Amino acid sequence: NAGVTQTPKFRILKIGQSMTLQCTQDMNHNYMYWYRQDPGMGLKLIYYSVGAGITDKGEVPNGYNVSRSTTEDFPLRLELAAPSQTSVYFCASSYYGYTFGSGTRLTVV
Amino acid sequence: KNEVEQSPQNLTAQEGEFITINCSYSVGISALHWLQQHPGGGIVSLFMLSSGKKKHGRLIATINIQEKHSSLHITASHPRDSAVYICAVRGPGDMRFGAGTRLTVKP
Repeated sequence: NAGVTQTPKFRILKIGQSMTLQCTQDMNHNYMYWYRQDPGMGLKLIYYSVGAGITDKGEVPNGYNVSRSTTEDFPLRLELAAPSQTSVYFCASSYYGYTFGSGTRLTVV
Repeated sequence: KNEVEQSPQNLTAQEGEFITINCSYSVGISALHWLQQHPGGGIVSLFMLSSGKKKHGRLIATINIQEKHSSLHITASHPRDSAVYICAVRGPGDMRFGAGTRLTVKP
């Protein structure tokens, strides 16, 4: 099993550009999450989904959008990238415990 | 004040030492997770606890619901245990995460 697959692993964006972080899981988990991790800080929830077609905001949703058209995929969209969005992004899915993707390191310059 | 506090923030140990990492939380929870984040960045779930104690190999996790406290112990520590250990609690809404404890085990 691949688990949770995130792409890309690294990306540099210019201020104002947009991009989509991809997340796919093959465990048929209903719950999926996007977190960001800033240096020295705990993970913070951006958006989450409890199933296909259902998404909701987390703690820090501003500047991001998500969609969940299938159980497997949960992409995160950054519109008008800002330096404050420089972070490491983790996608996760859960049924009982949590399974995390390997992360995307994003730098906005 | 963070809802999840971990101590210590940084910990250096010699190989073979017994390690304890502490986690205190301030919200009502349904479960507590211990996660391990290796230098490469990947995050692995170690334990999920709602009461008592769990053991997996050299790792032991305990939780005291009344005191809102959990500990992660590593027996006979090894350099490959070097990582950031993160406590997370599932409370109202989704999980809340501690900032992590960076453990370095020297040979």
